[in-house]
Amino acid sequence: DGGITQSPKYLFRKEGQNVTLSCEQNLNHDAMYWYRQDPGQGLRLIYYSQIVNDFQKGDIAEGYSVSREKKESFPLTVTSAQKNPTAFYLCASSPTRGTGETQYFGPGTRLLVL
Amino acid sequence: AQKITQTQPGMFVQEKEAVTLDCTYDTSDPSYGLFWYKQPSSGEMIFLIYQGSYDQQNATEGRYSLNFQKARKSANLVISASQLGDSAMYFCAMRGPSNDYKLSFGAGTTVTVRA
Repeated sequence: DGGITQSPKYLFRKEGQNVTLSCEQNLNHDAMYWYRQDPGQGLRLIYYSQIVNDFQKGDIAEGYSVSREKKESFPLTVTSAQKNPTAFYLCASSPTRGTGETQYFGPGTRLLVL
Repeated sequence: AQKITQTQPGMFVQEKEAVTLDCTYDTSDPSYGLFWYKQPSSGEMIFLIYQGSYDQQNATEGRYSLNFQKARKSANLVISASQLGDSAMYFCAMRGPSNDYKLSFGAGTTVTVRA
């Protein structure tokens, strides 16, 4: 079945540590996105990529980095510069043509700081 | 800048009744798209319905319909015949011009369906 997978489901980070969240899609979508969700709030865009080897900062990119070496994969690294990383992270993908260019989401990764 | 406003933090609805979730938006772009997503307690965002700014008819998908009032910049979601499984958080989102695929999300509305 086509879809978006995120791993791990839960991730624990120690102080000063970089951690990487995985996002893979087999929907053949060109665009991919990373969002952060804090408790009781909406989603905020961290980074997005419309094509391989290219990506742009979203609204809250500080303390995060991404890469897009393959169409199917868009990993997010939470660096030690991100002082408040505890949140729910959602990855999404969308076509860049078609009705609405609807974004479809993965199941998410919950990041907790030890 | 685009802005989405959902003014209802939480709502209760009786099973089998209809519920309307409010969403207003602010944009100066003539071309945009409006989306509604459902987020159950598991956390996954589930796409429900889409309305394009140039669409003449209100969008419908099964029990979901979107009441699109362009002049008032509102895109309310109507869920008919509510079911217990409809209990979740609901988010309204907007996409900008056709060459910008980013979504801006509202703060969400929690819906609780009572038996």
